[in-house]
Amino acid sequence: GQNIDQPTEMTATEGAIVQINCTYQTSGFNGLFWYQQHAGEAPTFLSYNVLDGLEEKGRFSSFLSRSKGYSYLLLKELQMKDSASYLCAVKGANNLFFGTGTRLTVIP
Amino acid sequence: DADVTQTPRNRITKTGKRIMLECSQTKGHDRMYWYRQDPGLGLRLIYYSFDVKDINKGEISDGYSVSRQAQAKFSLSLESAIPNQTALYFCATSDSFPGLRTYNEQFFGPGTRLTVL
Repeated sequence: GQNIDQPTEMTATEGAIVQINCTYQTSGFNGLFWYQQHAGEAPTFLSYNVLDGLEEKGRFSSFLSRSKGYSYLLLKELQMKDSASYLCAVKGANNLFFGTGTRLTVIP
Repeated sequence: DADVTQTPRNRITKTGKRIMLECSQTKGHDRMYWYRQDPGLGLRLIYYSFDVKDINKGEISDGYSVSRQAQAKFSLSLESAIPNQTALYFCATSDSFPGLRTYNEQFFGPGTRLTVL
């Protein structure tokens, strides 16, 4: 079976840094994706990790520890437009398995 | 022009009606997927197709059927709609495995909001 856990909601201040955690227990693992989804819109790809360590892409970074079944998404210099849901998804043999998402609210 | 399109964008129907949701893509991807999204439950896979002759059930295929009419088109049907099929439906596409791309991430259409009364 698949079990992917992330916090339901988080709030952070504009300009700050926020870390969104994701833990997973899956029967197969071929990488982990993070997606951003604004309310009522399509998810859009943010990052992918398949090896342990940190991947940095501008203001966004993602970390993976396969032995711990753990990933996080780090958002720096938060902007109001970063208010959205962030979806953690594990790639199995053929498909993606999504967590329920973390809704981030950025406040002034 | 959008790479992945879905029609209709919104639909209200009645219990027992047959509904078809359509998805088209211009990305040239082999793989296509149908998901539904419900509050608090995240995205769940309904069906997926790795090429025109390949159709596979996902986690929650009961009450749904699909047709892959061409590489670029993948339709989802609700044979007899029921109220608990009210949800936001997304189509997605991706490159094949293995491929030249490292990530093979999925690209999502804009979604269809379906309400079954």
